[in-house]
Amino acid sequence: SAVISQKPSRDICQRGTSLTIQCQVDSQVTMMFWYRQQPGQSLTLIATANQGSEATYESGFVIDKFPISRPNLTFSTLTVSNMSPEDSSIYLCSVRRAQETQYFGPGTRLLVL
Amino acid sequence: GQQLNQSPQSMFIQEGEDVSMNCTSSSIFNTWLWYKQDPGEGPVLLIALYKAGELTSNGRLTAQFGITRKDSFLNISASIPSDVGIYFCAGPSGNKLVFGAGTILRVKS
Repeated sequence: SAVISQKPSRDICQRGTSLTIQCQVDSQVTMMFWYRQQPGQSLTLIATANQGSEATYESGFVIDKFPISRPNLTFSTLTVSNMSPEDSSIYLCSVRRAQETQYFGPGTRLLVL
Repeated sequence: GQQLNQSPQSMFIQEGEDVSMNCTSSSIFNTWLWYKQDPGEGPVLLIALYKAGELTSNGRLTAQFGITRKDSFLNISASIPSDVGIYFCAGPSGNKLVFGAGTILRVKS
């Protein structure tokens, strides 16, 4: 498994502002991912955070809105830019371990007013 | 892309009852994963299945990988109040995971 922490755990933000979410893992991992979970919904992959190169974004998500950094093998950040109320969600980071399993952080609960 | 159909959407059961939920796909998966998400938490991996026909237990939880590789089920025996939460099935699609819509479990004590 993996021990994953996220900061902040929750935040309330004003529309038009940006928030950066941090994800820290207790050991080096090759693959890290960022997911969004809208209220009452399942998880949707935003992007794969690649170490040393640009993130790989899923359809419907763009770098200008969700810039991602991955400076090393234990840390990543996701920024939610120019926020609107529709961005109110839980944002989760995950890491891939052996045999295609993924382990998730505790999530960041974002409310945009 | 691949999609997972998870049912039921929700269940409201009496404490002590057994629970069964399942996940189906129109395409083959080589791995099935079952997660539980408690309120205010991230999903926690319960059981991972890697072989068609495999039956794996984790305490009161039992999951099976369907022999067609297009379905999986999760059973919870003798439910208790702390079983409350959302249960998700998931399967790999390339490097990423595809998730079912989730089953909301509520337990009456």
